Amino acid sequence: DSGVTQTPKHLITATGQRVTLRCSPRSGDLSVYWYQQSLDQGLQFLIQYYNGEERAKGNILERFSAQQFPDLHSELNLSSLELGDSALYFCASSAGGFGQFYGYTFGSGTRLTVV
Amino acid sequence: DQQVKQNSPSLSVQEGRISILNCDYTNSMFDYFLWYKKYPAEGPTFLISISSIKDKNEDGRFTVFLNKSAKHLSLHIVPSQPGDSAVYFCAASDNTDKLIFGTGTRLQVFP
Repeated sequence: DSGVTQTPKHLITATGQRVTLRCSPRSGDLSVYWYQQSLDQGLQFLIQYYNGEERAKGNILERFSAQQFPDLHSELNLSSLELGDSALYFCASSAGGFGQFYGYTFGSGTRLTVV
Repeated sequence: DQQVKQNSPSLSVQEGRISILNCDYTNSMFDYFLWYKKYPAEGPTFLISISSIKDKNEDGRFTVFLNKSAKHLSLHIVPSQPGDSAVYFCAASDNTDKLIFGTGTRLQVFP
């Protein structure tokens, strides 16, 4: 157990629908990162939150949004889902926003399948 | 634009031998590099890192080498063990805490 909890582990939904992925960071970590891993692709950075504020944005589609709540858990909302959104979605956390020095701690991911 | 590239999608090595995983990058602003290891059904786990002010960092059986002029880094595993079989991701940072990952190399260590 890495300390980063992602729910649900698996999600199957239809095109056009909306889903919410949830992440609880490791205790004490203020930064939360969301990554997408599609088939044969690396980990694509989507967005980062630090202590409730958006800190950095990557290749996140306009149909996707995220937020970090006062208790530091984060949610990634995916709407108007398309077949190409099927992927593994990882959440990671780090202490104090210095992830590049201490490394991120990743959750085990949510596998989203859009049918 | 793939700023971090792992051109070998897979590598097969005999137990006890050396495994060498390679990574190339294009952004000269990257100043910190990390390797992550991923087993199936698990998230990636941090393995080893190196700052751009160094050219080598060692941790047990794992050594990372950085060649800044060539924008190339490599991970050496000596000796390789069956438990090392996993997907290895190279990642880089440009003085922010955002990491850019490569596409990964699947290492298989056979007896």
